[in-house]
Amino acid sequence: AQTVTQSQPEMSVQEAETVTLSCTYDTSESNYYLFWYKQPPSRQMILVIRQEAYKQQNATENRFSVNFQKAAKSFSLKISDSQLGDTAMYFCAFDDYKLSFGAGTTVTVRA
Amino acid sequence: DSGVTQTPKHLITATGQRVTLRCSPRSGDLSVYWYQQSLDQGLQFLIQYYNGEERAKGNILERFSAQQFPDLHSELNLSSLELGDSALYFCASSSLADPEPFFGQGTRLTVV
Repeated sequence: AQTVTQSQPEMSVQEAETVTLSCTYDTSESNYYLFWYKQPPSRQMILVIRQEAYKQQNATENRFSVNFQKAAKSFSLKISDSQLGDTAMYFCAFDDYKLSFGAGTTVTVRA
Repeated sequence: DSGVTQTPKHLITATGQRVTLRCSPRSGDLSVYWYQQSLDQGLQFLIQYYNGEERAKGNILERFSAQQFPDLHSELNLSSLELGDSALYFCASSSLADPEPFFGQGTRLTVV
């Protein structure tokens, strides 16, 4: 059974600073997708970034980037130049044939 | 707007009742996923359909059932409702060309 682990329940960061969220997963598959989703207080699930396992290059979307270490089964998210609107719960998700989520990390950006 | 439509947005019902939640996926998406999120909890995978066929099943209770219709919309049926079934129920859809699942706004179910 695949599992996704987010070991940081809560993170706090000063506005304009950088924060890194960790995620590890377990699978025996070689082809899969990894995602980070953001859930603000509105509870809407918003896709932040996606990574294909066959790609060695780390994905980047504006201020969001990932560090994908396939051998270590690690998929961390870095938020650069944090903004107040980044305050949300962040979920790591793993998809080979079904989409499994980690427990989430609450990120609070302080003014 | 993700393009995934869930109805109703809110639902209040009594214990023991049955409800149906509806999901219309994005145009062209063949996969539909259902998730349950209780207050301040993570997302629990319930079930996935692909082009009308059940593809994967998670921790879905026997009181719950789902199906995907030929027009690709999906329904999640919840019966003999209990207080603990109160949660936000999400539907998501994806396609082979666009494999990242996009989520609807969710249906907030309150069982009283």
